[in-house]
Amino acid sequence: DGGITQSPKYLFRKEGQNVTLSCEQNLNHDAMYWYRQDPGQGLRLIYYSQIVNDFQKGDIAEGYSVSREKKESFPLTVTSAQKNPTAFYLCASSIRPAGELFFGEGSRLTVL
Amino acid sequence: DQQVKQNSPSLSVQEGRISILNCDYTNSMFDYFLWYKKYPAEGPTFLISISSIKDKNEDGRFTVFLNKSAKHLSLHIVPSQPGDSAVYFCAASSMYSGGGADGLTFGKGTHLIIQP
Repeated sequence: DGGITQSPKYLFRKEGQNVTLSCEQNLNHDAMYWYRQDPGQGLRLIYYSQIVNDFQKGDIAEGYSVSREKKESFPLTVTSAQKNPTAFYLCASSIRPAGELFFGEGSRLTVL
Repeated sequence: DQQVKQNSPSLSVQEGRISILNCDYTNSMFDYFLWYKKYPAEGPTFLISISSIKDKNEDGRFTVFLNKSAKHLSLHIVPSQPGDSAVYFCAASSMYSGGGADGLTFGKGTHLIIQP
């Protein structure tokens, strides 16, 4: 079955530690995205990538980093510079830019 | 500056009745509009979409209406069922005009509660 797999689903970390969230897709999509969801805030774009080895900052990129070394994979690192990292993180992909997004199940990060 | 607005954070509807969720946008370059449904701790799932050349699109119990002059769209769910209780996100892009490399712009969502 084609889809997007995010791991881990739940993650607890101490303040000051970097954390990497995994996102893998087997849909053969070129474009991949990371969103953050907070209560009452909707979905806010962190980073996106239209092609391998290229990525762009979204609206709230500060304190985050990404890589796109393979078409299938788009990991997100939440660094210690992110001031409020506790949130629900969603990875998505699309066949074409600005088209329908397919989402993973999400990762809940809690920083203690 | 919010380009996609869902002004009702929550909406309560009786089972069997019609649910109407509203969405307004400000960017006149948007030409593709979508609705997503989201349950807690899960990823959003695509419901229905409409391009700016249409004013209505229907899929089973779900119908989306687009009023370009008012920059307004709405999602109608008829009849409403308990499983429809979820958060609904409106999203938009300028896909057909070649823009939107950064994907979809989302509203903040409306929490729909279906009362038995």
